[in-house]
Amino acid sequence: NAGVMQNPRHLVRRRGQEARLRCSPMKGHSHVYWYRQLPEEGLKFMVYLQKENIIDESGMPKERFSAEFPKEGPSILRIQQVVRGDSAAYFCASSLGRVYNEQFFGPGTRLTVL
Amino acid sequence: KQEVTQIPAALSVPEGENLVLNCSFTDSAIYNLQWFRQDPGKGLTSLLLIQSSQREQTSGRLNASLDKSSGRSTLYIAASQPGDSATYLCACKRVETGANNLFFGTGTRLTVIP
Repeated sequence: NAGVMQNPRHLVRRRGQEARLRCSPMKGHSHVYWYRQLPEEGLKFMVYLQKENIIDESGMPKERFSAEFPKEGPSILRIQQVVRGDSAAYFCASSLGRVYNEQFFGPGTRLTVL
Repeated sequence: KQEVTQIPAALSVPEGENLVLNCSFTDSAIYNLQWFRQDPGKGLTSLLLIQSSQREQTSGRLNASLDKSSGRSTLYIAASQPGDSATYLCACKRVETGANNLFFGTGTRLTVIP
C-alpha cells in the first residue's frame, strides 16, 4: 500500500516560468491538502480539495497559484510566473475522511527558483 | 486564529535519556492533535494522533498527552536513541465549519548524542 506520492521531488525553475507539482494520495483517500514550508519557517496550509472540488483555499496566495484534483489522476498545484520567494518545500497530504482522520504526508517537492 | 508554539526550539540529550517535548496552542476548540517527525530534506512521518476526547496516546517508546483546557500537549520519548534525532512537529486541527487543515508549530530539533 503505497503512501502519498509526490513528483517531482526537486524542481528548478527560472523566474517567470511555470511550476507544476503533482500529488497522488494514498489508495482510497479522497481528501487532499497542500502545505508550504518556507526556509526556516513552519508548514503553512494552502488548499484543501476533494475530487473535482476545492473545499478551502484560504491559505492560497490570491495570484499565480491554483490547484485542482480531477476525477482521474493526481492533484496538481500550479504556480505561474514563479518568483524567488516561491522557493520552498511543498508538501501534499491525504486523509480517508474529513474531520477526525489522520493526515498522511508525502515526501515533498523542493522548488528552487533561480 | 490558531497559533501553535513549540518549546524548546532545539534540544540535545545523551543517548538513553528520557525527554519531553512541549506544544501549546491558543485556541482550545480543536478536533485533534498530531505529532510528526521530519528528517532533514524529507517529508513528515505521523507519530501519534490524539482526538480531542482523548488524554493520551502511546506507541512504543512514545507517549503523547493532551490537555485541551490548558492548550497543551507533550510528547514523551523514553530511552532516547541516536535514530530519534529529527525535528518534531505538533499540529492541531481547529473546529471550524468547512476547514480541515492543520496548524503547525515550528518544531523542536532533537539531537541524541551517542
